Amino acid sequence: QQPVQSPQAVILREGEDAVINCSSSKALYSVHWYRQKHGEAPVFLMILLKGGEQKGHEKISASFNEKKQQSSLYLTASQLSYSGTYFCGTATSGTYKYIFGTGTRLKVLA
Amino acid sequence: DAGVIQSPRHEVTEMGQEVTLRCKPISGHNSLFWYRQTMMRGLELLIYFNNNVPIDDSGMPEDRFSAKMPNASFSTLKIQPSEPRDSAVYFCASISDGNTEAFFGQGTRLTVV
Repeated sequence: QQPVQSPQAVILREGEDAVINCSSSKALYSVHWYRQKHGEAPVFLMILLKGGEQKGHEKISASFNEKKQQSSLYLTASQLSYSGTYFCGTATSGTYKYIFGTGTRLKVLA
Repeated sequence: DAGVIQSPRHEVTEMGQEVTLRCKPISGHNSLFWYRQTMMRGLELLIYFNNNVPIDDSGMPEDRFSAKMPNASFSTLKIQPSEPRDSAVYFCASISDGNTEAFFGQGTRLTVV
């Protein structure tokens, strides 16, 4: 079952914040976040393991609530370079079967 | 390391022809994944291997699709016969053991006419 991401698309002005959510119907062991630019391969942003930890990467951070089987990606003070499609990748316990979410298209305008 | 290498980058073929996509994972990585990306369905996991053994192929759409990993440094995804609905970008990705990041190849854009 493919994780569901919300929103499907978002448009921001430079400097604005955004939150992208990822929900799974299955118990999760880990969540990965990737960003894909048009015509390119997905690029890794961060990984979160079960335990509810929050991680940060520059002005991008994420949280993982294993009880709710949800993860959120926080984009703070967005930059033009943040534009792209964001995917969450999820794995259940004991497997490396990474299933990617439906994707969120993010566009940052000057 | 040069990263995950896929070939060809682009493939245009006629319906009914056999298509073979190739992938060379990063040296030392033990797991390899094949994904298909379309606008409608996003990134779909087709199959993944661990230590050259197919672990889960439940995402392979039908018998026309097959994948092999004869050794740790090479994998193929074959479509025979190909159909127009197979047109998509096919990505190969590899990871080392444990919960680490997946490295993607640049993808193969397949067009079946």
